[in-house]
Amino acid sequence: AQKITQTQPGMFVQEKEAVTLDCTYDTSDPSYGLFWYKQPSSGEMIFLIYQGSYDQQNATEGRYSLNFQKARKSANLVISASQLGDSAMYFCAMSSGNTPLVFGKGTRLSVIA
Amino acid sequence: NAGVTQTPKFRILKIGQSMTLQCTQDMNHNYMYWYRQDPGMGLKLIYYSVGAGITDKGEVPNGYNVSRSTTEDFPLRLELAAPSQTSVYFCASSKQGKWQPQHFGDGTRLSIL
Repeated sequence: AQKITQTQPGMFVQEKEAVTLDCTYDTSDPSYGLFWYKQPSSGEMIFLIYQGSYDQQNATEGRYSLNFQKARKSANLVISASQLGDSAMYFCAMSSGNTPLVFGKGTRLSVIA
Repeated sequence: NAGVTQTPKFRILKIGQSMTLQCTQDMNHNYMYWYRQDPGMGLKLIYYSVGAGITDKGEVPNGYNVSRSTTEDFPLRLELAAPSQTSVYFCASSKQGKWQPQHFGDGTRLSIL
């Protein structure tokens, strides 16, 4: 069965610093996709970044990058130059096999001025 | 540029009542999904649809029904509401399947008393 594990319930980071949010996954399917979503306090879900299992390079989108280590089954999100507006819940999710998307429990990031 | 629209935004139901959560998207996406998010948790898939006339169960389908008569609309029906169905419900859509990012509506906050 597919599973996503986010071991950090909460994280603090100083403004302008970089932060890494951890995500490990489990699947027996060789073909899968990994996603990160942001959920601000207002509640909406915002897509941030995607990594395919066969992608040769780590995905990047502006200040977001995904540190993909296939052998360790990890897909950590790196946010560079943190801003106060980055304070939110962050969810890692995976699609594989016949399952559209499985979410982790999330990490609450707080950016401190 | 509406994207995914959910109605209502908030609703309080009495135990045993029924209601339909509406979801419509204007992006001509084939895939649509319903999730529920319980406090402090990630999203869990209730039902999904890969196109008009086709629906399939997700992780937590009990107590819910769906239909997909058009590409745009994917209503979620609650029959005989129970307190365990108190949650925030999200509808999402994607252009194709599991490798595409999902676009989410703003959610419906439902309380069963």
